[in-house]
Amino acid sequence: DAGVIQSPRHEVTEMGQEVTLRCKPISGHNSLFWYRQTMMRGLELLIYFNNNVPIDDSGMPEDRFSAKMPNASFSTLKIQPSEPRDSAVYFCASSLTGHTNYGYTFGSGTRLTVV
Amino acid sequence: TQLLEQSPQFLSIQEGENLTVYCNSSSVFSSLQWYRQEPGEGPVLLVTVVTGGEVKKLKRLTFQFGDARKDSSLHITAAQPGDTGLYLCGSSNTGKLIFGQGTTLQVKP
Repeated sequence: DAGVIQSPRHEVTEMGQEVTLRCKPISGHNSLFWYRQTMMRGLELLIYFNNNVPIDDSGMPEDRFSAKMPNASFSTLKIQPSEPRDSAVYFCASSLTGHTNYGYTFGSGTRLTVV
Repeated sequence: TQLLEQSPQFLSIQEGENLTVYCNSSSVFSSLQWYRQEPGEGPVLLVTVVTGGEVKKLKRLTFQFGDARKDSSLHITAAQPGDTGLYLCGSSNTGKLIFGQGTTLQVKP
């Protein structure tokens, strides 16, 4: 398996533009997580899905952020409109529910810069 | 919400030295995981500890889970430059993995 695949690796956009980040989880994993990492706040959980259903979105900062998982092999995180304070590294991770000991597998992240 | 506190935040040592980093919580962990993150990459799982008092070894890394399952430590023996990175502890008591702020380790040759 190629692991969790995120695209793009880097994104630079202007304030006010829409940004879409993409994630392909590991085949067979039924839980998917979106995290944001900054120096100030560390690694924060934004939202997670189980069997394609959003379970907890309490970490989503505001209405400008939305996430979807239309099927078991694809998820998107959208920011509209983007702001400079959204600049961060966004990670997607997947796991198999009930197999906590195997941990989460993270993608390589998308580094977002909003200017 | 369970909060995880890691210490120290930063550690810079010479190759060959030993070190210990800590992860503490006011709540009991059902299980705890340690991850290492290298620049430009996502965190990678090192180990999961589940039982109070448990000790696990991974080459030069020794992980210990406190008897009360409220704290954990990671000890590295004879650190090498390849150990450089961000070490994160995480707990998934509520079904979602929450991380501490991490310990940034720099091992100088």
